Amino acid sequence: GAGVSQSPRYKVAKRGQDVALRCDPISGHVSLFWYQQALGQGPEFLTYFQNEAQLDKSGLPSDRFFAERPEGSVSTLKIQRTQQEDSAVYLCASSLASVYSYNSPLHFGNGTRLTVT
Amino acid sequence: KNQVEQSPQSLIILEGKNCTLQCNYTVSPFSNLRWYKQDTGRGPVSLTIMTFSENTKSNGRYTATLDADTKQSSLHITASQLSDSASYICVVSGADAGNMLTFGGGTRLMVKP
Repeated sequence: GAGVSQSPRYKVAKRGQDVALRCDPISGHVSLFWYQQALGQGPEFLTYFQNEAQLDKSGLPSDRFFAERPEGSVSTLKIQRTQQEDSAVYLCASSLASVYSYNSPLHFGNGTRLTVT
Repeated sequence: KNQVEQSPQSLIILEGKNCTLQCNYTVSPFSNLRWYKQDTGRGPVSLTIMTFSENTKSNGRYTATLDADTKQSSLHITASQLSDSASYICVVSGADAGNMLTFGGGTRLMVKP
């Protein structure tokens, strides 16, 4: 069975460019999260979807960051006018049910490493 | 503000030795606590999940403990192997909206031969 798939695996962007990062969650998973992970740090929450509804976007650092999950499956994280401080690994995670469910562990993808030059 | 603090930040041990990683949290109300292992260049992988009523949970050579009164958890690794070299992340889930998952900064473990 396929796990959470993220693409591209690596992305190099010039400052000011727009980028789009894709996440394919495990089929049937209700919850989907995006995290930003700086080198040597734990993941930092960006946004959360329950099916197609974006229930929490409090972690998005600026209005240059936008995420969508229009059909409740694949999600895209878009960063406009990238800046050097956006360089990080962007992790996507999905879970079968609500995050509050004890029996609903998060399954992470391997991330997209974004480098802004 | 909800916080999850892990210690030590990094640790080096010899293969075959045991080690214990610590996690202190302030998340309230509490729902569950999870330990993840993250290999370099990979996403985190779940090791254990515990609710407030569980004191200990094992997964092979990994044993997690939880003291919900003192808001502390530990992850004990027995008979370490080279493949245990990774970051170990403690994640605490709150029990109300807007209080979902708070990640610790991780402990970077290196096991040397």
